[in-house]
Amino acid sequence: QKEVEQDPGPLSVPEGAIVSLNCTYSNSAFQYFMWYRQYSRKGPELLMYTYSSGNKEDGRFTAQVDKSSKYISLFIRDSQPSDSATYLCATTRGGYQKVTFGTGTKLQVIP
Amino acid sequence: GAGVSQSPRYKVAKRGQDVALRCDPISGHVSLFWYQQALGQGPEFLTYFQNEAQLDKSGLPSDRFFAERPEGSVSTLKIQRTQQEDSAVYLCASSLSGLAGGTDTQYFGPGTRLTVL
Repeated sequence: QKEVEQDPGPLSVPEGAIVSLNCTYSNSAFQYFMWYRQYSRKGPELLMYTYSSGNKEDGRFTAQVDKSSKYISLFIRDSQPSDSATYLCATTRGGYQKVTFGTGTKLQVIP
Repeated sequence: GAGVSQSPRYKVAKRGQDVALRCDPISGHVSLFWYQQALGQGPEFLTYFQNEAQLDKSGLPSDRFFAERPEGSVSTLKIQRTQQEDSAVYLCASSLSGLAGGTDTQYFGPGTRLTVL
């Protein structure tokens, strides 16, 4: 079993919809939680990170972590065609550089 | 400014050949990482350098994989006697310091797509 599980999708939504992307993890030692966006044939780029449990908002994006249930979420409001990409959840332990990624969820926003 | 660059972008090798993949990190970045991304999967950690020191190589799949960063800047990932299962995108990332987690963003290059025939 992978340390970080993520539904691979694909997920197809109409423009303007609210998108919910989710991951679960198994290692209680994970403390930092990140979401990366990866366009086709490009490297991942960091969207957001949170430390421990709680919510963090940045424009149309909200990241949510619930450590009690080991659940990570990313919400995208008013989705745009330019949001079409693969979204990767990721996590790491404090004081350690190795980042563990989920498999990624492919999102398509249809105009 | 320039981001992380990788070369070549695409590499086709015959099984058994040796390959060398290059990564140019962002200037001044202390930390450098290599990841392997198979089709339809997330990146998998291979190895980590802080300056020229290789601090973690636990993700290298076999002794055919070797990475170096001799002067603390450019890094090379070498794969000897390539096998078909080595076919993947190899991603390089760099970060400014040696600090952990999301407080120190890892910037990724575009990757090298390796195909072993």
